Amino acid sequence: LAKTTQPISMDSYEGQEVNITCSHNNIATNDYITWYQQFPSQGPRFIIQGYKTKVTNEVASLFIPADRKSSTLSLPRVSLSDTAVYYCLVGDIGWNNNDMRFGAGTRLTVKP
Amino acid sequence: GAVVSQHPSWVICKSGTSVKIECRSLDFQATTMFWYRQFPKQSLMLMATSNEGSKATYEQGVEKDKFLINHASLTLSTLTVTSAHPEDSSFYICSAHKTLTGELFFGEGSRLTVL
Repeated sequence: LAKTTQPISMDSYEGQEVNITCSHNNIATNDYITWYQQFPSQGPRFIIQGYKTKVTNEVASLFIPADRKSSTLSLPRVSLSDTAVYYCLVGDIGWNNNDMRFGAGTRLTVKP
Repeated sequence: GAVVSQHPSWVICKSGTSVKIECRSLDFQATTMFWYRQFPKQSLMLMATSNEGSKATYEQGVEKDKFLINHASLTLSTLTVTSAHPEDSSFYICSAHKTLTGELFFGEGSRLTVL
């Protein structure tokens, strides 16, 4: 079971780049890293997924070092609407129930 | 993209009654679905894993007789909170595993308030 550790909270200002790091020291060979965003009273929303190196999509980038024991979600030029809780999940594509346990997440607050 | 729908999105019931929450994968088949509960300002807590055609697997501390899970088809799982009490008031969320691609999609959540 790859336990994840994230900072509890982060503050930023509009227009800044935000980097949220997740530690997963006992990640397994078959595990992927997936980040979700959750707004109050809504289900989590997929942001990005990766296995190694760097992945980029239209909303974020994911940086994974060679040892894969951590990952960093990068949000470019955040806006007020990016205020949310961000979770990283680590697990294989089969998503057995051991992988379904969420960590505490990181509560990002974007200020004007 | 794939959508997972929950119904109802919110429900208020009296103490002692039972409430059923549905989770549907609208455009894909999901052999496995997951149920979570979330209290205010806390993380999602996995309650159980629902497998189509078989009994659900419950997390330690979750009463299987109180939280009945049925996964009768590849697109529908239901969670029934039996004899609900005020302490069962929470935000319940499901997720569905798209078997072919390995992607995991979450429902919008269902807020239960027990009076």
